[in-house]
Amino acid sequence: EAAVTQSPRNKVAVTGGKVTLSCNQTNNHNNMYWYRQDTGHGLRLIHYSYGAGSTEKGDIPDGYKASRPSQENFSLILELATPSQTSVYFCASGDAGRNTLYFGAGTRLSVL
Amino acid sequence: GQQVKQSSPSLTVQEGGISILNCDYENDMFDYFAWYKKYPDNSPTLLISVRSNVDKREDGRLTVFLNKSGKHFSLHITASQPEDTAVYLCAGSNNNAGAKLTFGGGTRLTVRP
Repeated sequence: EAAVTQSPRNKVAVTGGKVTLSCNQTNNHNNMYWYRQDTGHGLRLIHYSYGAGSTEKGDIPDGYKASRPSQENFSLILELATPSQTSVYFCASGDAGRNTLYFGAGTRLSVL
Repeated sequence: GQQVKQSSPSLTVQEGGISILNCDYENDMFDYFAWYKKYPDNSPTLLISVRSNVDKREDGRLTVFLNKSGKHFSLHITASQPEDTAVYLCAGSNNNAGAKLTFGGGTRLTVRP
């Protein structure tokens, strides 16, 4: 079964601080994604990747960077966190050529 | 504007009734359509999906209807159960642009016993 693990599960950060959200998948999927979930907006795509070394901008990339150092790992980086980035973040993986996404359990981030 | 829109943020149905969830999209190039289910404090999981070469797909109590000319698709859940209570997220993608799903804002379905 698909396994996508996110860490940390909960994070409190200060405004202006740096935050790194990590995601690991053991499915050997090429594609990985970072979404954020906010009430009324559903899931919005921040960054995604087609494989190690690649990152692409999603629909709302401003204020975020991404890093894909290996097939298994995909990180989301907030260099200067702002309160507007308070949200629940979901990582997902998917096989190239297939559309099903497998999501991690989510990271709840509060920026104070 | 939102590329994928669920106009009803919430829906309440009596147990045993039919739940109808609607989704509208803007991108003519979408050729894959999906419904994900999300329980509180859980991750979304795929419920059912359909490609653009069909206009209907059934799976047990679930049926997806696709109206490409109207840029609309819907999920019908028959014999709704209290355990169907969840948030339902519709999504679409253009496979020629990579498997990048665009989600709607979600509809919270409550099935009353």
